[in-house]
Amino acid sequence: GAGVSQSPSNKVTEKGKDVELRCDPISGHTALYWYRQRLGQGLEFLIYFQGNSAPDKSGLPSDRFSAERTGESVSTLTIQRTQQEDSAVYLCASSIDRARYEQYFGPGTRLTVT
Amino acid sequence: KQEVTQIPAALSVPEGENLVLNCSFTDSAIYNLQWFRQDPGKGLTSLLLIQSSQREQTSGRLNASLDKSSGRSTLYIAASQPGDSATYLCAVSAGGANSKLTFGKGITLSVRP
Repeated sequence: GAGVSQSPSNKVTEKGKDVELRCDPISGHTALYWYRQRLGQGLEFLIYFQGNSAPDKSGLPSDRFSAERTGESVSTLTIQRTQQEDSAVYLCASSIDRARYEQYFGPGTRLTVT
Repeated sequence: KQEVTQIPAALSVPEGENLVLNCSFTDSAIYNLQWFRQDPGKGLTSLLLIQSSQREQTSGRLNASLDKSSGRSTLYIAASQPGDSATYLCAVSAGGANSKLTFGKGITLSVRP
């Protein structure tokens, strides 16, 4: 079956512009996560969605970052007024349910802020 | 705060060698541990998931063990091949309301033909 997909695969934007990154989880997966991987750093958790519960936004680095998810489907991560330090690979993962089940990752979106 | 460490950061071995990749974590109150593989410019591929109640998991030439009380996991790769060259990441989940993964920085493995 189809895995997690993300678009675009690459995005180059100018400092100060807004960007939207999209994630399509595996069908039927209720849990969805966004992570960020900056060069030379480990993956950092950003935000978590579980069904219709309020999302856990504890990993978002600033109020320029926001994310939405429609039901148990597509999620978009929005970064407003991008800064050079936002350059990273943004990875999305989904899981059948939280905790017990493994997370499956998409290929990521490589964001470059010039 | 949970911290995950993987040492060394890079490893180079000749083809055919059996090898062990180490992972340690500071908070033993984990729900599960997952090993991933990441190829350059690609996303993560899940290799093995070990629940906190388990001691090990096996898949083909891969075997992952977990010693929760000492905060350690190892990934054993038997008869390494050049195609095993990649970055191997260890991640732990605390479970509960948020099962976010806390990752190590990874071990970049190079298997020489």
